[in-house]
Amino acid sequence: KQEVTQIPAALSVPEGENLVLNCSFTDSAIYNLQWFRQDPGKGLTSLLLIQSSQREQTSGRLNASLDKSSGRSTLYIAASQPGDSATYLCAVRRHSGYALNFGKGTSLLVTP
Amino acid sequence: DTEVTQTPKHLVMGMTNKKSLKCEQHMGHRAMYWYKQKAKKPPELMFVYSYEKLSINESVPSRFSPECPNSSLLNLHLHALQPEDSALYLCASSQVPDRIQETQYFGPGTRLLVL
Repeated sequence: KQEVTQIPAALSVPEGENLVLNCSFTDSAIYNLQWFRQDPGKGLTSLLLIQSSQREQTSGRLNASLDKSSGRSTLYIAASQPGDSATYLCAVRRHSGYALNFGKGTSLLVTP
Repeated sequence: DTEVTQTPKHLVMGMTNKKSLKCEQHMGHRAMYWYKQKAKKPPELMFVYSYEKLSINESVPSRFSPECPNSSLLNLHLHALQPEDSALYLCASSQVPDRIQETQYFGPGTRLLVL
């Protein structure tokens, strides 16, 4: 069974800092990995999707990397802003079926 | 339009009530999903519809009954729920269910409280 772990569970940084969120998964047989953002009580917003054959994806201040063989992904956020405060979820899509297996998320607080 | 809409936003129901959650997308997506998210937990897949047919039921109790009346709409009918079913119910869609590069687009969710 695929287990997805995110570290740290919570993170507080001052505005302007660069930061890294970590995601690890136990089964490397994945189609892709997605990073989502979830604001309190809201739905999920897709940030980046990395195919299993790719090493990284970038969107604005966000950069996600994938090392499938070691079962790890990182989400790098440059020059953090208070508006980045949210929970960040990592999800892997299994080879079989459509389901996304989610980690428990990292709760990020960026203070002004 | 990359929006998935869900109604209602909030729902309070008793254990003997029958209610329905509604999800709609107009992106031409042919795969639609229901997820359940308990507080402080990640979303868990409940059902997948592919081309309007139920393709995955993740061993969900029969008190939850999904329905896909057309390619844009997905309903979740609720009957005789338990207090432990209180959660945020998220709907998602993706363009084609079996393409590996597909992003799932999520709605804002319906927050359900069962008394």
